[in-house]
Amino acid sequence: DQQVKQNSPSLSVQEGRISILNCDYTNSMFDYFLWYKKYPAEGPTFLISISSIKDKNEDGRFTVFLNKSAKHLSLHIVPSQPGDSAVYFCAASPSGTYKYIFGTGTRLKVLA
Amino acid sequence: DTGVSQNPRHKITKRGQNVTFRCDPISEHNRLYWYRQTLGQGPEFLTYFQNEAQLEKSRLLSDRFSAERPKGSFSTLEIQRTEQGDSAMYLCASSWPALGANVLTFGAGSRLTVL
Repeated sequence: DQQVKQNSPSLSVQEGRISILNCDYTNSMFDYFLWYKKYPAEGPTFLISISSIKDKNEDGRFTVFLNKSAKHLSLHIVPSQPGDSAVYFCAASPSGTYKYIFGTGTRLKVLA
Repeated sequence: DTGVSQNPRHKITKRGQNVTFRCDPISEHNRLYWYRQTLGQGPEFLTYFQNEAQLEKSRLLSDRFSAERPKGSFSTLEIQRTEQGDSAMYLCASSWPALGANVLTFGAGSRLTVL
């Protein structure tokens, strides 16, 4: 039972353009969401978070949007840079717990 | 602070052997997590601690797996009688929840190969 889904295994984007990574979830009890970036042979690195009481959070080139009615969040990267090429994971935490459930990841390739 | 440290980084073992991984969290973090990641998948939750108390353990976790966090500092994850299906990257993370946020900081992971 995959409660957090990233349906696009991979995405290629031209340098300077916008990258949009999507994440869907099934559990309406999720109340906090994180995005991570992972390079090979390294642990995941935190990018940005969003609480369920918000619908948008922005940090530099990264913006996360949350649509609670659709149970959907997305990560926008503008402008995309070659160094952004990595696997991106979304993660969701059920209310009242401190664990996170991760999606399967989307591999982003930014082409120079 | 050097972040979350995991040792060993790589472990190759034969089926049936026991292995132990160690995680040293960020010193002021009171929560510590273990995740497992296999190829093409996201990190899978195994267990987590608040200080020395193990608060939750995945129901998918075999009883061959045991984790401890004595004194609320470092943690160990032991796998007994390893099987080839245990081959994975074992990730440790720690956190210090503040203002409603609980952001996990991960270590580089310990890769296990069971032959």
